[in-house]
Amino acid sequence: DAGVTQSPTHLIKTRGQQVTLRCSPKSGHDTVSWYQQALGQGPQFIFQYYEEEERQRGNFPDRFSGHQFPNYSSELNVNALLLGDSALYLCASSRQGGTYGYTFGSGTRLTVV
Amino acid sequence: KQEVTQIPAALSVPEGENLVLNCSFTDSAIYNLQWFRQDPGKGLTSLLLIQSSQREQTSGRLNASLDKSSGRSTLYIAASQPGDSATYLCAVLDSNYQLIWGAGTKLIIKP
Repeated sequence: DAGVTQSPTHLIKTRGQQVTLRCSPKSGHDTVSWYQQALGQGPQFIFQYYEEEERQRGNFPDRFSGHQFPNYSSELNVNALLLGDSALYLCASSRQGGTYGYTFGSGTRLTVV
Repeated sequence: KQEVTQIPAALSVPEGENLVLNCSFTDSAIYNLQWFRQDPGKGLTSLLLIQSSQREQTSGRLNASLDKSSGRSTLYIAASQPGDSATYLCAVLDSNYQLIWGAGTKLIIKP
């Protein structure tokens, strides 16, 4: 049973560019959440998608946007990249509002230069 | 507003010792509490999930307890090994179905 799959694993972008990160949830899960984790810090909630709609959003600017597809997979888009966007981006999937727990992917390491 | 605190922030112990990591939360209205492990630069691995109606969960050398009324959870690691070295994070699922995180405990097991 495949867990959460994220791609790519590593990415280097130039300031001002745009980036798309991808996530496939664990089989049986219908909700995808995205987190940003800076070095040495805990995960910061970006947003959550359920039934192809953004259900909840953390304190992140509109440069961060997302999408969920009918097969429950999801994308995270970041426009106008800043140096401060360099971080590990984590995708987590769940079902039933997370009452059965969250499963995380291995993350995408984004470096903005 | 739910807040989650983990103590200690860092812990270094010799191999073979039993140890306890602590997690406290301010609002007892939670659906569950989940313990995760994170190796440097890697994703999060779920260790144990405790539902709000449960008192403890066990997996191998790991045991997690939950006392919802006092807002506390502990993660007990028996017979620690160098491979247990990692950062351990706890998170509660609050009444708004949001995952609220502690800052983590960085554990080092010395051979």
